[in-house]
Amino acid sequence: DAGVTQSPTHLIKTRGQQVTLRCSPKSGHDTVSWYQQALGQGPQFIFQYYEEEERQRGNFPDRFSGHQFPNYSSELNVNALLLGDSALYLCASSSDGTGYTFGSGTRLTVV
Amino acid sequence: DAKTTQPTSMDCAEGRAANLPCNHSTISGNEYVYWYRQIHSQGPQYIIHGLKNNETNEMASLIITEDRKSSTLILPHATLRDTAVYYCIVSRRALTFGSGTRLQVQP
Repeated sequence: DAGVTQSPTHLIKTRGQQVTLRCSPKSGHDTVSWYQQALGQGPQFIFQYYEEEERQRGNFPDRFSGHQFPNYSSELNVNALLLGDSALYLCASSSDGTGYTFGSGTRLTVV
Repeated sequence: DAKTTQPTSMDCAEGRAANLPCNHSTISGNEYVYWYRQIHSQGPQYIIHGLKNNETNEMASLIITEDRKSSTLILPHATLRDTAVYYCIVSRRALTFGSGTRLQVQP
């Protein structure tokens, strides 16, 4: 049984560009959450998707947007990249809000 | 979500029990207590969660005080592979991570 799959694993982008990160949830999970983790810090909640709608959002600007597809997979989009957006981006899936399973993350570097 | 307070770091001898405390004095009635850990450069790993009663699984035990204002994660026989940052999270829905406790298991 595959866990949470994220792609790509590493990415380098230039300041001002746009990026799309992808997440496939664990089988049987219908809720996807996205987190940003800067070096040396705990993960920070970006937003959560359920039934293709954004259900909850953390304190992140509108440059961060997302989407959930009918098969429960999800994308995280970041526009107008800043150097400070460099981080590990984590996807977590769950069902009924308990027992979140995390992927290994996408390491984004903005230069 | 309620705020949690954890020690910044702890040491434990290999083979001994590791007891990681967490204070969550503002927890509300429908919030669960979750514990996750993160080994360097990997995604957080679920350990255990509970609402009111003590819980045990193959990884750890979770002891929640009767007033639910604090909890303790117990790793019964710590190994070097248990060296990680441990996060205590109180939440009803999305997880809000704090700074966690950096546990160093010593040989």
